[in-house]
Amino acid sequence: DAKTTQPNSMESNEEEPVHLPCNHSTISGTDYIHWYRQLPSQGPEYVIHGLTSNVNNRMASLAIAEDRKSSTLILHRATLRDAAVYYCILRQRGGNQFYFGTGTSLTVIP
Amino acid sequence: DAMVIQNPRYQVTQFGKPVTLSCSQTLNHNVMYWYQQKSSQAPKLLFHYYDKDFNNEADTPDNFQSRRPNTSFCFLDIRSPGLGDAAMYLCATSRVGVVDTQYFGPGTRLTVL
Repeated sequence: DAKTTQPNSMESNEEEPVHLPCNHSTISGTDYIHWYRQLPSQGPEYVIHGLTSNVNNRMASLAIAEDRKSSTLILHRATLRDAAVYYCILRQRGGNQFYFGTGTSLTVIP
Repeated sequence: DAMVIQNPRYQVTQFGKPVTLSCSQTLNHNVMYWYQQKSSQAPKLLFHYYDKDFNNEADTPDNFQSRRPNTSFCFLDIRSPGLGDAAMYLCATSRVGVVDTQYFGPGTRLTVL
């Protein structure tokens, strides 16, 4: 399984941008980078995914390094509702399995 | 709304007493997954079904079995629960054919007495 490395925890002030890093140095050319988050007492939910180019959606942005060995999830304005554990996951193209890394617990300070 | 439903949300069983957790989906997705999540840990994939094809993870204990009688339903059977099997069990679905996302249910929290 391709592995990801994330900081265990991060803090952000409310309404400030948050950059959540992920290292995936063993990524292969066919692996997609997915981000999920898990709010307390809930199942994980999809945030964003990408392959090579940076991606934006209504929840976040995903910046992917040129060599694809790392990526950064960007929350443009953190709110208290963004406090969650954020997981960076590599998914093989055409594969069904998702293997979760340890994740980053994000605390948002009012 | 299309969704993934897990019943019950909380399940208590006794050491060694078989227990079944259920999952249903209205998304008509052809892949269904079961994850185990212990306290303060990431979800760990146990197995998944691609239509009727069962795919077991190499490190999933034999104590865990699964059934998928139709597209909508999937069951997790724990034949002889031990104290170490106390966890949140998450069901998820996805489509095949595109790089698609997983949709998770709210989970069933299993307590083993």
